[in-house]
Amino acid sequence: GESVGLHLPTLSVQEGDNSIINCAYSNSASDYFIWYKQESGKGPQFIIDIRSNMDKRQGQRVTVLLNKTVKHLSLQIAATQPGDSAVYFCAENREGQGGKLIFGQGTELSVKP
Amino acid sequence: DTAVSQTPKYLVTQMGNDKSIKCEQNLGHDTMYWYKQDSKKFLKIMFSYNNKELIINETVPNRFSPKSPDKAHLNLHINSLELGDSAVYFCASSRAATTQGYTFGSGTRLTVV
Repeated sequence: GESVGLHLPTLSVQEGDNSIINCAYSNSASDYFIWYKQESGKGPQFIIDIRSNMDKRQGQRVTVLLNKTVKHLSLQIAATQPGDSAVYFCAENREGQGGKLIFGQGTELSVKP
Repeated sequence: DTAVSQTPKYLVTQMGNDKSIKCEQNLGHDTMYWYKQDSKKFLKIMFSYNNKELIINETVPNRFSPKSPDKAHLNLHINSLELGDSAVYFCASSRAATTQGYTFGSGTRLTVV
């Protein structure tokens, strides 16, 4: 069946440290991946995306790594701040699926001051 | 101005009732979606409309009926509400049945008692 899974449901880091959130996907045909941040009481917000023809993509304080060999992607957040506390989701889209996003379970990131 | 707006934000109702959730987007997008987020924060797509035409219809009980009067609106009507329908429902929109510009609303928390 379809699945995009996360290994760790919770992650606690110290402010200023780097955070790494992992995600595994099951379908080798997946060609587009997105990381979302969801704060309490809000909808998912786009953070960064990556296509399957890339291994790495960087944004402001965030980096996404894609390893197609083991069907794994990760989100790295540099110098984690209290405002980064949220639930993070990876989502997958496959060409021809009409904009359908398949979400992983989610990881709750807690930043300790 | 809110890009994707849902009403109501909270909805508490008794089992067996019929209720509707409304969604409007002012982004000029062609495609709108409904997602359901359960108590474990798992997000799953329910429906998608492109230019008022249903293009994604996941395995959802037929008590759920989406309606799109125009491409800026996608409403969700639920008949004979059950306890298991309690969840947060998110509306989203994007351009042309792709992932371009994907934007989520802030959610409607439905509680069935």
